Amino acid sequence: QLQLQESGSGLVKPSQTLSLTCAVSGGSISSGGYSWSWIRQPPGKGLEWIGYIYHSGSTYYNPSLKSRLTISVDRSKNQFSLKLSSVTAADTAVYYCATRISAAGSNWFDPWGQGTLVTVSS
Amino acid sequence: DIQMTQSPSSLSASVGDRVTITCRASQSISSHLNWYQQKPGKAPKLLIYAASSLQSGVPSRFSGSGSGTDFTLTISSLQPEDFATYYCQQSDSTPFTFGPGTKVDIK
Repeated sequence: QLQLQESGSGLVKPSQTLSLTCAVSGGSISSGGYSWSWIRQPPGKGLEWIGYIYHSGSTYYNPSLKSRLTISVDRSKNQFSLKLSSVTAADTAVYYCATRISAAGSNWFDPWGQGTLVTVSS
Repeated sequence: DIQMTQSPSSLSASVGDRVTITCRASQSISSHLNWYQQKPGKAPKLLIYAASSLQSGVPSRFSGSGSGTDFTLTISSLQPEDFATYYCQQSDSTPFTFGPGTKVDIK
């Protein structure tokens, strides 16, 4: 049973870089059929897909964030990470990591981590 | 980007009611549509994937249907634990996008 857990700084100053890590347990990050995703949710608002990465390191980013975004994977630690540069108050959100499962020609997010609130403020 | 809309944005219902939530995509997404349930302070939970497949462990009162641009999530008999916000999500093409959510609360 896969479990995901986010960690990282909960408070980031404007113009700085937001950094989060997602630890994967209960399975290998190199397992076939899986990719590793970040999704965020501003307080009181809806969900926004950020991007995902395969264990090979191939990435797919939301174009709206692509210029500021880096997602990486560390197979030795069974974890993946998010870096978002030049943050503003608009980046304040609960950040979730999630497993993207690909099967039978479709794909979905399951399971999700519990989420971590990142606030951008001076 | 594919835009997702949901209706209604909120609804009030009683335990035992049949509840239907609609999701519409701005272009055809075949059956690449997923449904999630989110309770306050919690992460979303997958209910339905590929439009109509029930995720393991999810009660059978939840069902999904549709293809192309129009989709439906139905709760056949609403239970107290079902009061939550429900999101649809298209997985047909990146950037993946979510609907704005439907909040189901107690009448």
